[in-house]
Amino acid sequence: EVQLVESGGGLVQPGGSLRLSCAASGFTFSSYEMNWVRQAPGKGLEWVSYISSSGSTIYYADSVKGRFTISRDNAKNSLYLQMNSLRAEDTAVYYCARVYRYGEGVDGFDIWGQGTMVTVSS
Amino acid sequence: DIQMTQSPSSLSASVGDRVTITCRASQSISSYLNWYQQKPGKAPKLLIHAASSLQSGVPSRFSGRGSGTDFTLTISNLQPEDFATYYCQQSYSTLITFGQGTRLEIK
Repeated sequence: EVQLVESGGGLVQPGGSLRLSCAASGFTFSSYEMNWVRQAPGKGLEWVSYISSSGSTIYYADSVKGRFTISRDNAKNSLYLQMNSLRAEDTAVYYCARVYRYGEGVDGFDIWGQGTMVTVSS
Repeated sequence: DIQMTQSPSSLSASVGDRVTITCRASQSISSYLNWYQQKPGKAPKLLIHAASSLQSGVPSRFSGRGSGTDFTLTISNLQPEDFATYYCQQSYSTLITFGQGTRLEIK
């Protein structure tokens, strides 16, 4: 079964750090680009970061640039998000999502994890 | 960044109805537009990619249209399981953006 499972969420104080993990199974992880998407309580979806299949190309949303770092370990079939200098507004469910390329530049997030909750509060 | 604006923000309808949700981009995104469905406490589910291509396994009562800046998601013959929140998302830019969501409720 194709699956993504996030872990590492929890309660952290403002200014603190947290590292999220996303374990992939059921597909060739090293062949797929990946993203992190978050959703604050009662709010909509916000894209956070992208990483190419090799890890050589990375993008961030302006809201997290300079504070968050996306990475992957293809040998371990795992995606990571290192979050530093956390703020109250980073409180959200964090999802990892696989990019599926349909061709001619078209793509979508076809597989999502169940999400992990991050709460930033004192 | 490309801004995505959905309308309406919420919508009430009955089983069997036909509803349309609109998504407008702040600049042309060609057909690089996806639609997702999200139910409470669950991860989003990809319904439509490239504005009008139905994802495998998605019922044919879902359809998408549009290109450039204006897009629509239409659900025909609403079923009880369709009541959820719907999001559009542009993949034209490397900085991905989502619409704010449209909550579809039972009347």
